[in-house]
Amino acid sequence: DTAVSQTPKYLVTQMGNDKSIKCEQNLGHDTMYWYKQDSKKFLKIMFSYNNKELIINETVPNRFSPKSPDKAHLNLHINSLELGDSAVYFCASSQVTSGSQADTQYFGPGTRLTVL
Amino acid sequence: AQSVTQLDSQVPVFEEAPVELRCNYSSSVSVYLFWYVQYPNQGLQLLLKYLSGSTLVKGINGFEAEFNKSQTSFHLRKPSVHISDTAEYFCAVSRNTGFQKLVFGTGTRLLVSP
Repeated sequence: DTAVSQTPKYLVTQMGNDKSIKCEQNLGHDTMYWYKQDSKKFLKIMFSYNNKELIINETVPNRFSPKSPDKAHLNLHINSLELGDSAVYFCASSQVTSGSQADTQYFGPGTRLTVL
Repeated sequence: AQSVTQLDSQVPVFEEAPVELRCNYSSSVSVYLFWYVQYPNQGLQLLLKYLSGSTLVKGINGFEAEFNKSQTSFHLRKPSVHISDTAEYFCAVSRNTGFQKLVFGTGTRLLVSP
Protein backbone atom coordinates (compact mmCIF):
# COMPACT_ATOMS: atom_id res chain seq x y z
CA ASP A 1 0.00 0.00 0.00
CA THR A 2 2.98 2.28 -0.69
CA ALA A 3 1.81 5.81 -1.46
CA VAL A 4 4.63 6.91 -3.77
CA SER A 5 6.88 4.21 -5.18
CA GLN A 6 9.97 4.42 -7.34
CA THR A 7 11.87 1.83 -9.31
CA PRO A 8 14.63 0.97 -9.24
CA LYS A 9 15.90 1.80 -5.77
CA TYR A 10 19.52 1.63 -6.92
CA LEU A 11 20.88 2.19 -10.40
CA VAL A 12 24.54 1.81 -11.32
CA THR A 13 25.51 2.52 -14.90
CA GLN A 14 28.32 3.67 -17.16
CA MET A 15 28.80 7.15 -18.55
CA GLY A 16 27.05 7.67 -21.84
CA ASN A 17 24.25 5.20 -21.16
CA ASP A 18 20.54 6.02 -21.20
CA LYS A 19 18.41 5.08 -18.21
CA SER A 20 14.90 5.56 -16.86
CA ILE A 21 13.47 5.86 -13.37
CA LYS A 22 9.79 5.13 -12.82
CA CYS A 23 7.46 6.71 -10.30
CA GLU A 24 3.92 5.77 -9.40
CA GLN A 25 1.55 7.20 -6.81
CA ASN A 26 -1.69 5.63 -5.60
CA LEU A 27 -2.92 8.66 -3.67
CA GLY A 28 -5.13 10.00 -6.43
CA HIS A 29 -3.06 13.18 -6.61
CA ASP A 30 -3.00 15.31 -9.73
CA THR A 31 0.49 16.79 -9.39
CA MET A 32 3.84 15.01 -9.43
CA TYR A 33 7.42 16.18 -9.06
CA TRP A 34 11.00 15.12 -9.56
CA TYR A 35 13.72 16.32 -7.19
CA LYS A 36 17.47 15.76 -7.27
CA GLN A 37 19.44 15.39 -4.03
CA ASP A 38 23.17 15.78 -4.47
CA SER A 39 26.01 14.32 -2.43
CA LYS A 40 25.74 17.20 0.05
CA LYS A 41 22.06 16.41 0.59
CA PHE A 42 20.91 19.54 -1.21
CA LEU A 43 17.44 19.02 -2.68
CA LYS A 44 16.36 20.86 -5.79
CA ILE A 45 13.22 20.56 -7.85
CA MET A 46 13.65 19.50 -11.45
CA PHE A 47 10.16 19.11 -12.91
CA SER A 48 6.51 19.16 -11.98
CA TYR A 49 3.47 17.88 -13.84
CA ASN A 50 -0.14 18.73 -13.15
CA ASN A 51 -2.71 16.50 -14.84
CA LYS A 52 -0.01 15.26 -17.23
CA GLU A 53 0.94 18.82 -18.19
CA LEU A 54 4.44 20.17 -17.50
CA ILE A 55 4.16 23.16 -15.15
CA ILE A 56 7.62 23.48 -13.64
CA ASN A 57 10.80 22.97 -15.60
CA GLU A 58 13.87 24.17 -13.81
CA THR A 59 17.21 24.71 -15.54
CA VAL A 60 17.79 21.05 -16.14
CA PRO A 61 19.86 19.78 -19.10
CA ASN A 62 17.67 18.56 -21.92
CA ARG A 63 19.23 15.12 -21.50
CA PHE A 64 16.59 14.79 -18.77
CA SER A 65 13.11 14.16 -20.13
CA PRO A 66 10.13 13.54 -17.87
CA LYS A 67 7.15 11.66 -19.21
CA SER A 68 3.72 11.43 -17.62
CA PRO A 69 1.58 8.77 -19.31
CA ASP A 70 -1.21 9.38 -16.80
CA LYS A 71 -1.82 11.26 -13.57
CA ALA A 72 -0.50 8.40 -11.44
CA HIS A 73 2.86 8.06 -13.19
CA LEU A 74 5.79 10.34 -13.81
CA ASN A 75 8.89 8.73 -15.28
CA LEU A 76 12.30 10.29 -15.72
CA HIS A 77 14.46 9.39 -18.67
CA ILE A 78 18.09 10.43 -18.77
CA ASN A 79 20.16 10.30 -21.94
CA SER A 80 23.95 10.22 -22.22
CA LEU A 81 24.55 9.94 -18.50
CA GLU A 82 27.41 11.96 -17.01
CA LEU A 83 29.35 11.59 -13.78
CA GLY A 84 27.61 14.67 -12.39
CA ASP A 85 24.24 12.99 -12.71
CA SER A 86 25.11 10.76 -9.77
CA ALA A 87 22.61 11.65 -7.06
CA VAL A 88 19.47 10.48 -5.34
CA TYR A 89 16.35 11.27 -7.32
CA PHE A 90 13.08 11.67 -5.46
CA CYS A 91 9.60 11.60 -6.88
CA ALA A 92 6.78 13.33 -5.00
CA SER A 93 3.10 13.98 -5.43
CA SER A 94 0.48 16.34 -4.08
CA GLN A 95 -3.10 17.37 -4.70
CA VAL A 96 -3.41 20.94 -5.93
CA THR A 97 -6.47 22.49 -4.38
CA SER A 98 -8.24 25.68 -5.28
CA GLY A 99 -7.64 28.77 -3.22
CA SER A 100 -4.45 29.28 -1.31
CA GLN A 101 -4.10 25.95 0.46
CA ALA A 102 -0.81 24.22 -0.13
CA ASP A 103 -1.19 20.48 0.14
CA THR A 104 1.56 18.31 1.50
CA GLN A 105 3.98 16.75 -0.95
CA TYR A 106 4.44 13.03 -0.38
CA PHE A 107 7.85 11.71 -1.31
CA GLY A 108 8.95 8.37 -2.65
CA PRO A 109 11.88 6.44 -1.14
CA GLY A 110 14.34 7.72 -3.73
CA THR A 111 16.48 6.19 -6.46
CA ARG A 112 20.22 6.29 -5.93
CA LEU A 113 21.88 6.73 -9.32
CA THR A 114 25.60 6.09 -9.60
CA VAL A 115 27.33 6.88 -12.87
CA LEU A 116 30.76 5.29 -13.29
CA ALA B 1 12.42 34.04 -5.85
CA GLN B 2 12.56 32.35 -2.47
CA SER B 3 15.55 31.03 -0.57
CA VAL B 4 16.13 29.20 2.70
CA THR B 5 19.11 29.26 5.03
CA GLN B 6 19.79 26.58 7.58
CA LEU B 7 22.92 27.81 9.32
CA ASP B 8 23.57 24.66 11.32
CA SER B 9 24.72 21.74 9.21
CA GLN B 10 24.85 19.47 12.24
CA VAL B 11 23.39 19.67 15.75
CA PRO B 12 24.58 17.15 18.35
CA VAL B 13 22.38 16.75 21.41
CA PHE B 14 21.91 14.31 24.24
CA GLU B 15 18.78 12.23 24.59
CA GLU B 16 15.95 13.97 26.51
CA ALA B 17 17.51 17.40 25.99
CA PRO B 18 15.63 20.15 24.15
CA VAL B 19 16.66 21.12 20.64
CA GLU B 20 16.12 23.98 18.25
CA LEU B 21 16.93 23.79 14.53
CA ARG B 22 17.17 27.17 12.89
CA CYS B 23 15.65 28.21 9.58
CA ASN B 24 15.59 31.63 7.98
CA TYR B 25 13.98 32.42 4.66
CA SER B 26 13.98 35.17 2.10
CA SER B 27 11.07 36.09 -0.16
CA SER B 28 9.53 39.16 -1.73
CA VAL B 29 6.05 37.60 -1.58
CA SER B 30 4.02 35.80 1.07
CA VAL B 31 5.09 32.24 1.63
CA TYR B 32 4.20 28.91 3.10
CA LEU B 33 6.82 27.21 5.27
CA PHE B 34 7.53 23.54 5.86
CA TRP B 35 9.77 21.24 7.83
CA TYR B 36 10.53 17.81 6.43
CA VAL B 37 12.48 14.99 8.04
CA GLN B 38 14.59 12.42 6.19
CA TYR B 39 15.56 9.28 8.06
CA PRO B 40 18.59 7.36 6.75
CA ASN B 41 18.02 5.88 3.30
CA GLN B 42 14.42 7.04 3.19
CA GLY B 43 12.35 9.68 1.47
CA LEU B 44 11.17 12.90 3.06
CA GLN B 45 8.26 13.05 5.47
CA LEU B 46 6.38 16.21 6.42
CA LEU B 47 6.79 17.22 10.06
CA LEU B 48 4.69 20.37 9.99
CA LYS B 49 3.71 23.32 7.85
CA TYR B 50 2.71 26.94 8.28
CA LEU B 51 0.11 28.28 5.88
CA SER B 52 -1.60 31.06 7.84
CA GLY B 53 -3.16 31.80 11.21
CA SER B 54 -1.47 30.92 14.46
CA THR B 55 2.27 31.40 14.25
CA LEU B 56 2.93 28.39 16.48
CA VAL B 57 2.54 25.20 14.52
CA LYS B 58 2.51 21.75 16.05
CA GLY B 59 3.57 18.73 14.06
CA ILE B 60 4.17 15.04 14.38
CA ASN B 61 6.52 13.36 16.84
CA GLY B 62 6.30 16.22 19.34
CA PHE B 63 7.89 18.84 17.09
CA GLU B 64 6.68 22.42 16.81
CA ALA B 65 7.80 25.51 14.94
CA GLU B 66 7.14 29.20 15.24
CA PHE B 67 6.72 31.51 12.28
CA ASN B 68 8.29 34.92 12.90
CA LYS B 69 7.57 37.25 10.01
CA SER B 70 9.66 40.16 11.27
CA GLN B 71 12.71 37.94 11.64
CA THR B 72 11.83 35.82 8.59
CA SER B 73 12.41 32.71 10.64
CA PHE B 74 10.71 29.37 11.13
CA HIS B 75 12.73 27.55 13.80
CA LEU B 76 11.91 23.96 14.70
CA ARG B 77 11.85 22.88 18.34
CA LYS B 78 11.35 19.80 20.44
CA PRO B 79 11.40 19.90 24.24
CA SER B 80 12.88 16.42 24.68
CA VAL B 81 14.53 14.44 21.89
CA HIS B 82 14.84 10.68 21.47
CA ILE B 83 17.53 8.61 19.83
CA SER B 84 15.01 7.90 17.07
CA ASP B 85 14.93 11.60 16.16
CA THR B 86 18.39 11.26 14.64
CA ALA B 87 17.82 12.29 11.03
CA GLU B 88 18.27 15.06 8.49
CA TYR B 89 15.83 17.95 8.82
CA PHE B 90 14.96 20.21 5.90
CA CYS B 91 13.24 23.55 6.02
CA ALA B 92 11.40 24.53 2.84
CA VAL B 93 9.48 27.50 1.49
CA SER B 94 7.04 28.04 -1.32
CA ARG B 95 5.12 31.09 -2.44
CA ASN B 96 1.49 31.02 -1.44
CA THR B 97 0.03 31.39 -4.91
CA GLY B 98 0.19 29.30 -8.02
CA PHE B 99 1.59 25.82 -8.27
CA GLN B 100 3.68 24.87 -5.32
CA LYS B 101 7.42 24.84 -5.90
CA LEU B 102 9.30 23.89 -2.76
CA VAL B 103 12.68 25.51 -2.24
CA PHE B 104 14.71 23.61 0.33
CA GLY B 105 17.44 24.61 2.72
CA THR B 106 20.66 22.63 2.86
CA GLY B 107 19.45 20.55 5.78
CA THR B 108 20.49 20.09 9.40
CA ARG B 109 21.64 16.75 10.67
CA LEU B 110 20.33 16.12 14.18
CA LEU B 111 22.51 13.65 16.07
CA VAL B 112 20.99 12.37 19.31
CA SER B 113 23.27 10.42 21.58
CA PRO B 114 22.55 8.58 24.86
